[in-house]
Amino acid sequence: AQSVTQLDSQVPVFEEAPVELRCNYSSSVSVYLFWYVQYPNQGLQLLLKYLSGSTLVKGINGFEAEFNKSQTSFHLRKPSVHISDTAEYFCAVLNEKLTFGTGTRLTIIP
Amino acid sequence: EAGVTQFPSHSVIEKGQTVTLRCDPISGHDNLYWYRRVMGKEIKFLLHFVKESKQDESGMPNNRFLAERTGGTYSTLKVQPAELEDSGVYFCASSRQGFANSPLHFGNGTRLTVT
Repeated sequence: AQSVTQLDSQVPVFEEAPVELRCNYSSSVSVYLFWYVQYPNQGLQLLLKYLSGSTLVKGINGFEAEFNKSQTSFHLRKPSVHISDTAEYFCAVLNEKLTFGTGTRLTIIP
Repeated sequence: EAGVTQFPSHSVIEKGQTVTLRCDPISGHDNLYWYRRVMGKEIKFLLHFVKESKQDESGMPNNRFLAERTGGTYSTLKVQPAELEDSGVYFCASSRQGFANSPLHFGNGTRLTVT
């Protein structure tokens, strides 16, 4: 069985500061990994995905994530956040179906 | 193109009543998924349609939930009778192909409150 752990339910960050949202997964087989974002009052939107190849994946809005197989992690990073990044972020792993984590609410402090 | 639309956006019903949620996928998307998020918890898979057929319904919580996709277009998710623990946000998503080959497009969700 596969699972996803997002340890941080809420992350407050000052505007223009860097941020890292943590994601760890467990799976007995090779997986595909995703980050989705949900802006207020909207549906989920794909930020980025790792299917194969380079372990550093770049997504929309300046976000990137690094797949680390030995640590079973897929942390999301952005070097400088903006007010518009305020949202909830979900990590997900795909084996037979897409399994989501519990989400991390990112709050940007002006 | 129009996105995935869900109706209603909010629904408040009493325990024991029936509610039907509707999802209109993006035109041409054969794959349709239902997910649910109970407050503060993970987004959980409910089921997956390919056209009008149920490909995987392993996430459906119990037989009070009935999903249909007649004609392979829009889908409905009926909860009858509703219980307090059914409260949450129900998301629908669609894709042209399976999970890894094409991205999922999500609707804005239906927030269901059972009182």
